[in-house]
Amino acid sequence: RKEVEQDPGPFNVPEGATVAFNCTYSNSASQSFFWYRQDCRKEPKLLMSVYSSGNEDGRFTAQLNRASQYISLLIRDSKLSDSATYLCVVNKGEGGKLIFGQGTELSVKP
Amino acid sequence: DAGVTQSPTHLIKTRGQQVTLRCSPKSGHDTVSWYQQALGQGPQFIFQYYEEEERQRGNFPDRFSGHQFPNYSSELNVNALLLGDSALYLCASSAGGSGGAETQYFGPGTRLLVL
Repeated sequence: RKEVEQDPGPFNVPEGATVAFNCTYSNSASQSFFWYRQDCRKEPKLLMSVYSSGNEDGRFTAQLNRASQYISLLIRDSKLSDSATYLCVVNKGEGGKLIFGQGTELSVKP
Repeated sequence: DAGVTQSPTHLIKTRGQQVTLRCSPKSGHDTVSWYQQALGQGPQFIFQYYEEEERQRGNFPDRFSGHQFPNYSSELNVNALLLGDSALYLCASSAGGSGGAETQYFGPGTRLLVL
């Protein structure tokens, strides 16, 4: 079983749609959680950190459920520019090793 | 303020050769981590350097080695290249003094093709 698992993609949605990504992690000792965004042939860029209380940044909302070992990302009012691969990332706190999911590709169409 | 830089951007090698990739961290960062990203996969942790020492290592063979210099820049060396080493190699920097839980910022990567 992979340490971090994400919904298989791709997700193809129209502009303005709401889309949700789900992620589960296997190690209950994991300490910090992130969503990164990766554009085609570019480096991953931090989208947002994820906290147990939930956090929102504009159209993006991230949630963490430690009991279920589940992380989510909700994108509202999708834009063409949201098209990218979204990576769920966990840090077990062992010196900063990031563990990535395989990524979920999002394609927003006009 | 320069971000993380990596060189070269692209590289083509043949099986059995050796390669050295370079990374300069973001200003103010002292920790460098290296990741390998195969096509269609998420990045996989290779190792992390802090205070010129390898602090942690992922599940990669000894053919993968590294170094960190006093100015915090780092090199990744891969010996005896295999076709399966073809990937995007990403360097990430952070201010890792307290154990590495800080946010990591990625460089643009080096795309390695092994023929």
